[in-house]
Amino acid sequence: AQSVTQLDSQVPVFEEAPVELRCNYSSSVSVYLFWYVQYPNQGLQLLLKYLSGSTLVKGINGFEAEFNKSQTSFHLRKPSVHISDTAEYFCAVSDSGNTPLVFGKGTRLSVIA
Amino acid sequence: GAVVSQHPSWVICKSGTSVKIECRSLDFQATTMFWYRQFPKQSLMLMATSNEGSKATYEQGVEKDKFLINHASLTLSTLTVTSAHPEDSSFYICSARALAGRGNEQFFGPGTRLTVL
Repeated sequence: AQSVTQLDSQVPVFEEAPVELRCNYSSSVSVYLFWYVQYPNQGLQLLLKYLSGSTLVKGINGFEAEFNKSQTSFHLRKPSVHISDTAEYFCAVSDSGNTPLVFGKGTRLSVIA
Repeated sequence: GAVVSQHPSWVICKSGTSVKIECRSLDFQATTMFWYRQFPKQSLMLMATSNEGSKATYEQGVEKDKFLINHASLTLSTLTVTSAHPEDSSFYICSARALAGRGNEQFFGPGTRLTVL
C-alpha cells in the first residue's frame, strides 16, 4: 500500500521569502501525485497534480512541484510567499487505477509579516 | 467545473440522535465518492469508498452499522451517523471522482462540521 511522508509538521516563513514543503512517497510502478491546500474550516483545494510527462508541475497561486522518481519525492515550492498562503498543505498519492488517495499528515505553513 | 457540495456545512446534535450528511457532485457524474474524517490539526482519514449502486467499502476500524453510506445516484452520496456520540464529533469531508476519470483526481466538498453534545 502507498504511504506519504510529510517531514515537516510546521513551517514558519517570512512574507516574500521562498518556501519548500517536503513530500516523499513509497515507491510504486506508477503513481499520481497531488498537493492540496486547506484553509481553516474549509475543504481541500487542489494546488497541482502530477500524472505523467514533465516532472516540473506548475499549479495555482504561484506554486510548483517537482516529481523526482529516484528520490520518490514531490516537494512543493513557491519563490515568494504571501500572508494569504498561511494554511495547511497536504500531499497525496494514488496508484494509477481506481484507488483512493492516500494523504500525508499535512504541513502547516505560517507566513509571518 | 467539478464542484462538490456538502450539506449541511455544520450541525450540532444531541447524543443518541442520527445525522445525515449529503454530498453532491454539481456539474459532473461521479461513479465513486469517498468519505473522510478529519480530527483537529490532523490529516484526512479515509472512512469508506462508495460506488454508485453498490455497497460501500469501509476501511478497517470503521463501523459500517454506525456510519451508513448510500450512493443512490451518480451525483449524490449520503453519510448517516447513527446514534451519534461526542466522540463522533469531527469534520467530515466527501470527495467525488469523475466518471471519465481525470487521472484519478478527486474533487472535494467543503466539509461538514459535526458537534455532538
